[in-house]
Amino acid sequence: AQRVTQPEKLLSVFKGAPVELKCNYSYSGSPELFWYVQYSRQRLQLLLRHISRESIKGFTADLNKGETSFHLKKPFAQEEDSAMYYCALNTDKLIFGTGTRLQVFP
Amino acid sequence: NAGVTQTPKFQVLKTGQSMTLQCAQDMNHEYMSWYRQDPGMGLRLIHYSVGAGITDQGEVPNGYNVSRSTTEDFPLRLLSAAPSQTSVYFCASSYSKLGEQYFGPGTRLTVT
Repeated sequence: AQRVTQPEKLLSVFKGAPVELKCNYSYSGSPELFWYVQYSRQRLQLLLRHISRESIKGFTADLNKGETSFHLKKPFAQEEDSAMYYCALNTDKLIFGTGTRLQVFP
Repeated sequence: NAGVTQTPKFQVLKTGQSMTLQCAQDMNHEYMSWYRQDPGMGLRLIHYSVGAGITDQGEVPNGYNVSRSTTEDFPLRLLSAAPSQTSVYFCASSYSKLGEQYFGPGTRLTVT
């Protein structure tokens, strides 16, 4: 079955600390993976996709096919990173994880 | 461009009532979809469409109908509202099935 698992509902860190939001997927084919973010009072929007291998707002995510993971990382968290983060797997439709709320304290 | 628009922003229904949530996009996207967002469950796909005249079921289609008569519009109909349909509903569109999804602002629906 195709599935996306985000084990942490809430992740709280202090400003300047490293952040890692975990995402594991279950899919037998070649995965297309994304991270979407929803800031307070804003629309859900694309943060990054594995195929582009970009760093967006200091965030990176590497696809690890062996561990079936696509964890989102940032070396130094900022207060403005506080938001809801969703990992998503695109097969013939987009499947979202349950989301992780990141809180960055000053 | 307005992007993806949804109406209404808020709606309260009584059990058994019907209504249509509107979604429109002006980006000429072929792919459109409806999600519901519930606490602890993330976003779940209700229905999607790969083009005008073509729709398909997602993960949680029961109780909802869709149609796609034009590229721009993708309304979601609740035939007989139930309290379990209390949720926030998001419409999204993309150029292709594997492309970046553009989301609307959401409709918060409460069924009493």
